[in-house]
Amino acid sequence: QKEVEQNSGPLSVPEGAIASLNCTYSDRGSQSFFWYRQYSGKSPELIMSIYSNGDKEDGRFTAQLNKASQYVSLLIRDSQPSDSATYLCAVYNTDKLIFGTGTRLQVFP
Amino acid sequence: EAGVAQSPRYKIIEKRQSVAFWCNPISGHATLYWYQQILGQGPKLLIQFQNNGVVDDSQLPKDRFSAERLKGVDSTLKIQPAKLEDSAVYLCASSSLAGLNEQFFGPGTRLTVL
Repeated sequence: QKEVEQNSGPLSVPEGAIASLNCTYSDRGSQSFFWYRQYSGKSPELIMSIYSNGDKEDGRFTAQLNKASQYVSLLIRDSQPSDSATYLCAVYNTDKLIFGTGTRLQVFP
Repeated sequence: EAGVAQSPRYKIIEKRQSVAFWCNPISGHATLYWYQQILGQGPKLLIQFQNNGVVDDSQLPKDRFSAERLKGVDSTLKIQPAKLEDSAVYLCASSSLAGLNEQFFGPGTRLTVL
């Protein structure tokens, strides 16, 4: 079982819709959870951090964490073509950040 | 606040040659990381420094890769000799001790081994 799992996509959503990106992790002791956005040919950019169960909102982004289900998600409201990128889920455990393989999001006009 | 700096941005070498990458972290960040990202995969940690000490190098192929952070600020990652499978993007990241484990990445170095 992979430590951090994401659907590779692509996830295609129309402009203005809500994009929902999901991630599961295997280690119950994981402490911190992050979402990075990576445009093609660029490096990962941190967009959300979440540390406790529940929702955390920042602008059009909402991160959701459910430690009992070992599940973390990212919602992007009012999706824009500029949101088209690969979204990497990362989980921090025992001094190491473990990344998923990323979900490619395509927002079409 | 200046971000993480890396150089060079691109490098093309032939197999069995050597190559070195440089990284300067965000000012004041004690922890520095080197990752390898192969196309279609997430970044994989190679080595983590805290100040000038190694915290984790368990996934560093030590027969060919080496890294140092002599004065606790900038760092160098070296590959000698390079193999075809080393073609990847090498990312440097840094974090502060009080930063709740948030890591910030530099632009990366794209290495092509022919």
